[in-house]
Amino acid sequence: DTGVSQDPRHKITKRGQNVTFRCDPISEHNRLYWYRQTLGQGPEFLTYFQNEAQLEKSRLLSDRFSAERPKGSFSTLEIQRTEQGDSAMYLCASSFVEGYGYTFGSGTRLTVV
Amino acid sequence: AQSVTQLDSQVPVFEEAPVELRCNYSSSVSVYLFWYVQYPNQGLQLLLKYLSGSTLVESINGFEAEFNKSQTSFHLRKPSVHISDTAEYFCAVSGDSGYALNFGKGTSLLVTP
Repeated sequence: DTGVSQDPRHKITKRGQNVTFRCDPISEHNRLYWYRQTLGQGPEFLTYFQNEAQLEKSRLLSDRFSAERPKGSFSTLEIQRTEQGDSAMYLCASSFVEGYGYTFGSGTRLTVV
Repeated sequence: AQSVTQLDSQVPVFEEAPVELRCNYSSSVSVYLFWYVQYPNQGLQLLLKYLSGSTLVESINGFEAEFNKSQTSFHLRKPSVHISDTAEYFCAVSGDSGYALNFGKGTSLLVTP
């Protein structure tokens, strides 16, 4: 068990560019979640997957945000046409279906300049 | 919807002193409650959780929290803090969604010698 891995740890991009983040969950976990954390705030739920199915995406912040989890393993979060307001820490977590034993990754810090 | 209020944004305390970090929640349904800790530039780590049963829950590093349904509170306490406890602490609540956690804004605990 190597925990939840996120890549990259930091990303600096110019406004208008597309970015993609990757999350590798704990292999035994069925569920994978994405959260966003802005400065001085708690994490904010974005979306989650159970195996390869994305079961909730209505809380993605706009249609510029999308997430995938092909084959029910790793997941990617893409932000198209980035804006300065997208600057934040993007956190991934995974868990078993039952219970709330979330394990968070270390996050990807996005800075849009 | 469930929500969390962390009543103190910052709590300064001297080493070996007791500390209480306050958390109140609002919910019309049964809830699960959590405390997470976040060290600088790291993801969130689960500190303790209340799912059911005993209203007093403990962590392995000396923290405890008590679920108080009548006061809708889940305050975090430690009788004697260490310098290494300096971190951001987040209270979170789940509810009828079955998957998403709603986090408070966090309390910054600063322990000084």
